[in-house]
Amino acid sequence: DSGVTQTPKHLITATGQRVTLRCSPRSGDLSVYWYQQSLDQGLQFLIQYYNGEERAKGNILERFSAQQFPDLHSELNLSSLELGDSALYFCASSGRDSSRETQYFGPGTRLLVL
Amino acid sequence: AQKVTQAQTEISVVEKEDVTLDCVYETRDTTYYLFWYKQPPSGELVFLIRRNSFDEQNEISGRYSWNFQKSTSSFNFTITASQVVDSAVYFCAPVSSGSARQLTFGSGTQLTVLP
Repeated sequence: DSGVTQTPKHLITATGQRVTLRCSPRSGDLSVYWYQQSLDQGLQFLIQYYNGEERAKGNILERFSAQQFPDLHSELNLSSLELGDSALYFCASSGRDSSRETQYFGPGTRLLVL
Repeated sequence: AQKVTQAQTEISVVEKEDVTLDCVYETRDTTYYLFWYKQPPSGELVFLIRRNSFDEQNEISGRYSWNFQKSTSSFNFTITASQVVDSAVYFCAPVSSGSARQLTFGSGTQLTVLP
């Protein structure tokens, strides 16, 4: 168990809909990262937050947005969903100890868009 | 930008054999970190090892060992005496030492350990 939690574990929705994925980092970790894993694109970095502020952006679509709250949990919002958004979405956290750069991953949210 | 090449798409070995997973990376950073992660069939990503670019000493941790060579930009990972539970997809990933610490993953190597 990495200490990172993600909800829900599975999500099935329809095209055009909007969903919110939630992540709670390890206790004390300040950085949260979101990654997408799909069959055609592999594992890709989406966005990073550090202590509530956006730190870096990767290949995140404009239909997607994220935020990190004062209690450090993070949410990834996916809107106007398309079939191609079906993927496994991971959250990772880092920053608690001297191994700051090690990212620990949650179990992922498997999104299926029908 | 960083790039990772894991040329071995699939590897199959018999239990107790040693297996080495290859990783070649590209980075413009002078200091960086290198990681190996494992993704078993259950789907989670499990951290295995981390290496700093400024320390080329190779190490062993239990059944895992790694060979880091900065001159050839390679970071190979070896499992000794493989077990069926080692069957998973293994990902190599460098990360910048700068403020943006996102991992850049390779395409992964599917390792199957047969009993």
